[in-house]
Amino acid sequence: QKEVEQNSGPLSVPEGAIASLNCTYSDRGSQSFFWYRQYSGKSPELIMSIYSNGDKEDGRFTAQLNKASQYVSLLIRDSQPSDSATYLCALLRGDTDKLIFGTGTRLQVFP
Amino acid sequence: DAGVTQSPTHLIKTRGQQVTLRCSPISGHKSVSWYQQVLGQGPQFIFQYYEKEERGRGNFPDRFSARQFPNYSSELNVNALLLGDSALYLCASSLVIGSNEKLFFGSGTQLSVL
Repeated sequence: QKEVEQNSGPLSVPEGAIASLNCTYSDRGSQSFFWYRQYSGKSPELIMSIYSNGDKEDGRFTAQLNKASQYVSLLIRDSQPSDSATYLCALLRGDTDKLIFGTGTRLQVFP
Repeated sequence: DAGVTQSPTHLIKTRGQQVTLRCSPISGHKSVSWYQQVLGQGPQFIFQYYEKEERGRGNFPDRFSARQFPNYSSELNVNALLLGDSALYLCASSLVIGSNEKLFFGSGTQLSVL
């Protein structure tokens, strides 16, 4: 079982819709979770971090964490074509900066 | 303020050669981590250095080595290159480690092994 699992997609949504990206993880001891956006050929860019159960909102983005069910999700409201990218879910391992990444979900927002 | 800088941006090597990739962290950041990202996959952790000491190593062969200098910059060395080493190599820095602090990624070095 992979430590962080994501559906590779592509996930296609129309402009203006809500995009829902999901991620599950295997280590119950994980405490810190991150969503990165990566455009083709570019480096990952942090868009959300979440550490507590529940929802965390930042603009059009909402991260959701459920530690009991071991899943993390990212909602993107009012999706724009510029949101088209690969979204990487990651968790922080222990007392290091070792991020464990999923394979990413490719999101396509069409006009 | 300068972000994390990596050099070179692109590199082409042949099998069996050696390569050195360089990273300068954000000013004041003492932790540098290296990741390998193969096309279509998420980044995989290679090394972490903090205050010039290795603090973590991923599941990579001994052909991969790294070091951190007194100014906190870092080099990643890969010997005896294989075709499978072709990837985007990412460097990330942070002020301290294990504090849930945001990691800042550089723009990466795209290595192609022919």
